[in-house]
Amino acid sequence: AQKVTQAQTEISVVEKEDVTLDCVYETRDTTYYLFWYKQPPSGELVFLIRRNSFDEQNEISGRYSWNFQKSTSSFNFTITASQVVDSAVYFCALSERSYGGSQGNLIFGKGTKLSVKP
Amino acid sequence: NAGVTQTPKFQVLKTGQSMTLQCAQDMNHNSMYWYRQDPGMGLRLIYYSASEGTTDKGEVPNGYNVSRLNKREFSLRLESAAPSQTSVYFCASSPWVQETQYFGPGTRLLVL
Repeated sequence: AQKVTQAQTEISVVEKEDVTLDCVYETRDTTYYLFWYKQPPSGELVFLIRRNSFDEQNEISGRYSWNFQKSTSSFNFTITASQVVDSAVYFCALSERSYGGSQGNLIFGKGTKLSVKP
Repeated sequence: NAGVTQTPKFQVLKTGQSMTLQCAQDMNHNSMYWYRQDPGMGLRLIYYSASEGTTDKGEVPNGYNVSRLNKREFSLRLESAAPSQTSVYFCASSPWVQETQYFGPGTRLLVL
């Protein structure tokens, strides 16, 4: 069965520290997609990245970077030089083809709450 | 482009009352979704519509119904609200299934 685990419930760092948010997934499929979303205190969900299962290249976008490793079924997210505005709940999600079930729906982890203190 | 819009933003219901949550998108997306978010549970899929004219159950469909009114609009109905349906409801849309989903601002529902 498909599953996404974000073992870190809450993380607290001081501004300018680097922080890594862990995401481990389970899937039977060879074709799947992984996502990260950010939910700031205002409540909306903001899309950050989508990665397909055939692309294991790491991605960097400004202070954000993502490390996808199929061998360990992990898709970790690192924020470099964290800022107070990074304080939010971050969700990792998986989308796969289900066998006889819903195709392409997102399975979310329970989220990691990141607090960045000044 | 407004993206995905939801109404209302906040609603209080009494047990047994009914209501419809509205969702509309202006991105010409084919697929639309309804999720609920509960503390410590992440988001769970209630229903989705892969394309206009189709709807399917998600992980937690009991107590809800949906209507894909047209390509733009996807509504969620609670026929007889229960306190267990107190939650934040998010609508989302994507070009097709398995593509990136974009979310509305959410509806906070309190059932007393």
